[in-house]
Amino acid sequence: GAVVSQHPSWVICKSGTSVKIECRSLDFQATTMFWYRQFPKQSLMLMATSNEGSKATYEQGVEKDKFLINHASLTLSTLTVTSAHPEDSSFYICSARDGPPTGGTEAFFGQGTRLTVV
Amino acid sequence: ELKVEQNPLFLSMQEGKNYTIYCNYSTTSDRLYWYRQDPGKSLESLFVLLSNGAVKQEGRLMASLDTKARLSTLHITAAVHDLSATYFCAGENGGSQGNLIFGKGTKLSVKP
Repeated sequence: GAVVSQHPSWVICKSGTSVKIECRSLDFQATTMFWYRQFPKQSLMLMATSNEGSKATYEQGVEKDKFLINHASLTLSTLTVTSAHPEDSSFYICSARDGPPTGGTEAFFGQGTRLTVV
Repeated sequence: ELKVEQNPLFLSMQEGKNYTIYCNYSTTSDRLYWYRQDPGKSLESLFVLLSNGAVKQEGRLMASLDTKARLSTLHITAAVHDLSATYFCAGENGGSQGNLIFGKGTKLSVKP
C-alpha cells in the first residue's frame, strides 16, 4: 500500500511554545489529507481536513487559530500547534487518500506523533 | 452524519477461543475499514471491505460486511496472545472528502 510518513514521532515542548508536525505522502499525491487526534484510551477524532492550495476545514470545537494547517504541496501537509498547553498533549495522526474517495481509493495513516506539553 | 458503534469495548479471552467484534454504522458507507492499534503506535490496516457480502481473511482474523444490516464483524479464530491490541472499525463519511469515522475501539486481551 501507499506510504504516509509523519514526523516527528514524538515531541516534548514547554507550555506556550509552538510545535510543527509534518505529514508526507511518499509515493502518491494527496490533494486531501486529514488530521486526527487521539487522547489516551479513546478513539480517533477528526480535527481538520487539509486541502492542497486552499484553507483547511476544521471540525466543530477545533480552534483554527491554535491548530494551523498548511498544505502547500501535493505531498506535504503540516500541523502547527501554537501556544501549546498541557491539555494539547495527545497523539496526532495524519491520513491521506491515494485518490478521490470514489473509485477504489483507500485511506493511509502516518505513524503518529506523540505530543507532550510540560 | 455517519455514526459508528462498536462492541464490545473490552474483550478478555483465553487463547484458543473464538470471538466476534461487531461494528454497526448508521448510514451508507462506501467502505468499512478494520484497524489494529498497539499501545503507543499508529493504526495498522487489517481489512478494507468494499461491498455487501464481502468477506476477507488474514490468518486468525476474518472480516465481513453486510451493507443491508449496516453491520461488519471481525471474527477471531483460536486466539493467540499476539492478537492482544485495540481494534477499530471505521466507515467513510459522506461527501467528497472521504474522512473516516471511527468506532470507540475494542481492547482485546488474550490470556494464556
